[in-house]
Amino acid sequence: DQQVKQNSPSLSVQEGRISILNCDYTNSMFDYFLWYKKYPAEGPTFLISISSIKDKNEDGRFTVFLNKSAKHLSLHIVPSQPGDSAVYFCAARIQGAQKLVFGQGTRLTINP
Amino acid sequence: EAGVVQSPRYKIIEKKQPVAFWCNPISGHNTLYWYRQNLGQGPELLIRYENEEAVDDSQLPKDRFSAERLKGVDSTLKIQPAELGDSAVYLCASSPRESGHEKLFFGSGTQLSVL
Repeated sequence: DQQVKQNSPSLSVQEGRISILNCDYTNSMFDYFLWYKKYPAEGPTFLISISSIKDKNEDGRFTVFLNKSAKHLSLHIVPSQPGDSAVYFCAARIQGAQKLVFGQGTRLTINP
Repeated sequence: EAGVVQSPRYKIIEKKQPVAFWCNPISGHNTLYWYRQNLGQGPELLIRYENEEAVDDSQLPKDRFSAERLKGVDSTLKIQPAELGDSAVYLCASSPRESGHEKLFFGSGTQLSVL
């Protein structure tokens, strides 16, 4: 049972445009959502997070939006840069269980 | 500040052989995690330690996998015997107590190939 789903395995965006990565979840017990970024041959690194009591969190070029009624999470990157090319994982924390559940990842490619 | 260190980076073994992975977390991080990442999938938790105590090992296949965290610092993950389906990247992560267990710091992983 995939509780966190990233339905787009890959996404290609022109440099300077907006990148939008999407994530859907099924478990209402998630209380915290995060995005991790992973370069080849490296471990995932934390990018940005949002609590379930908020609907938006912004950090520089990165903004995460949470729609609890739709159980949908999105990451916006604007403007997109070549260094943003990586695999992005959506993750969610189970309230009280102190563990993260990850999505399958979306490979973002920024074209010059 | 040094990050999470894992070794080896790559390991190729034949099925039924044993294998071990080592992890040194960030200094001062109480919580240590082992995750497994299969090709095209996200990381999946195998075991979580709080100091030297394994507090969540519900996803660890205990018939062949074992783990330990000596003195609440370094950790090893062992597979014996390895099966073809164990081929994956094994990631170690750590987090400080105050993070709330959501912001994890990952090592570069060990890529295991079982032939």
